[in-house]
Amino acid sequence: AAGVIQSPRHLIKEKRETATLKCYPIPRHDTVYWYQQGPGQDPQFLISFYEKMQSDKGSIPDRFSAQQFSDYHSELNMSSLELGDSALYFCASSSTATDTQYFGPGTRLTVL
Amino acid sequence: TQLLEQSPQFLSIQEGENLTVYCNSSSVFSSLQWYRQEPGEGPVLLVTVVTGGEVKKLKRLTFQFGDARKDSSLHITAAQPGDTGLYLCAGAHPSNYQLIWGAGTKLIIKP
Repeated sequence: AAGVIQSPRHLIKEKRETATLKCYPIPRHDTVYWYQQGPGQDPQFLISFYEKMQSDKGSIPDRFSAQQFSDYHSELNMSSLELGDSALYFCASSSTATDTQYFGPGTRLTVL
Repeated sequence: TQLLEQSPQFLSIQEGENLTVYCNSSSVFSSLQWYRQEPGEGPVLLVTVVTGGEVKKLKRLTFQFGDARKDSSLHITAAQPGDTGLYLCAGAHPSNYQLIWGAGTKLIIKP
């Protein structure tokens, strides 16, 4: 079965640079969630989209933005990167028929 | 703030033993998911429980949702070294479906 796809899997950036993370949800899933996970921590919810509209907002910094496109893929844009942004970033998708979230493999962002 | 308390946080047992992991809250969830996560990888869904009192079985794993949908348990029978990993419970908030995460249980099964 198709799973959530994230790219890139690994990303290394310098401070103050920008980064774009991509997420391709499971086919026919209309909701996408973004999470940030630091070492030893549980995933922290950043933002979610339903049918291309922002549906909920969590602890997403103002330096970050995200959107969902017409094909339901989503991109997380991160600007003015800080050392503390180094983390695993997960995307999850779900369908409105169920609230079960299926997670992608994650993008490991390292800010130097 | 809705909280989900998961216990134990760490468990190391011998192969063949049984174990139970608990997730408890004072709040009601619309559903509860159990995930397993390997280091550096995304959480992999094991099961979703939705109905109060529901029991689901996945081979040697038995998942139960409390009658009031506030708590859940994961029972592993005859644990094997391949069961070693981090197990996470996550309850879906009834209004916005945001996941409330347990702290995780790091399970080690010794051969």
